[in-house]
Amino acid sequence: NAGVTQTPKFQVLKTGQSMTLQCAQDMNHEYMSWYRQDPGMGLRLIHYSVGAGITDQGEVPNGYNVSRSTTEDFPLRLLSAAPSQTSVYFCASRSTGAGAYEQYFGPGTRLTVT
Amino acid sequence: GDSVTQMEGPVTLSEEAFLTINCTYTATGYPSLFWYVQYPGEGLQLLLKATKADDKGSNKGFEATYRKETTSFHLEKGSVQVSDSAVYFCALRRDKSGANNLFFGTGTRLTVIP
Repeated sequence: NAGVTQTPKFQVLKTGQSMTLQCAQDMNHEYMSWYRQDPGMGLRLIHYSVGAGITDQGEVPNGYNVSRSTTEDFPLRLLSAAPSQTSVYFCASRSTGAGAYEQYFGPGTRLTVT
Repeated sequence: GDSVTQMEGPVTLSEEAFLTINCTYTATGYPSLFWYVQYPGEGLQLLLKATKADDKGSNKGFEATYRKETTSFHLEKGSVQVSDSAVYFCALRRDKSGANNLFFGTGTRLTVIP
């Protein structure tokens, strides 16, 4: 049981480049989400999904796209990277069943945009 | 909207000292409240939770009580260890139909010195 996995762990991009951050979970969780973590700002929600084929925007969605074609995978796409997107990105998942409170986080991807 | 205000850090304590990290929240209704911990180089892990007023969450010697009258959920530990050095995040989730997204505070970095 790997939990939530993210790749890559580190990435450096030039301004204007695109890339996809990968996230996968093997717990059959319906809910998945992406956060960015910046100093002094905590974690801010970028996008989330409550099931395959369903996605929605969080607090800071601009510049990011997501899709959810399977229960297991929830990739985050940066369409045209900007220095303001330098951050640590965390993927998370949880069950949506009654009494399911714990959200499981991946180890993070540290992205630098120059 | 929903928000969490957390004590500014960093906090540095000697081993066996008493720890308090303050957290207050703003939300409509009766949210569930959480403390997450992030050890160096890792993702976040759930430390404890409380789902209704006057509930006390506890784990690994840490405690927090859901105080509706003061909209607070302060984290405490009677005797900290070096291994408790980490970043601590207070979070809330407004339990309603739908996504029930987590909203995080800015995090408090704790360093425990021997």
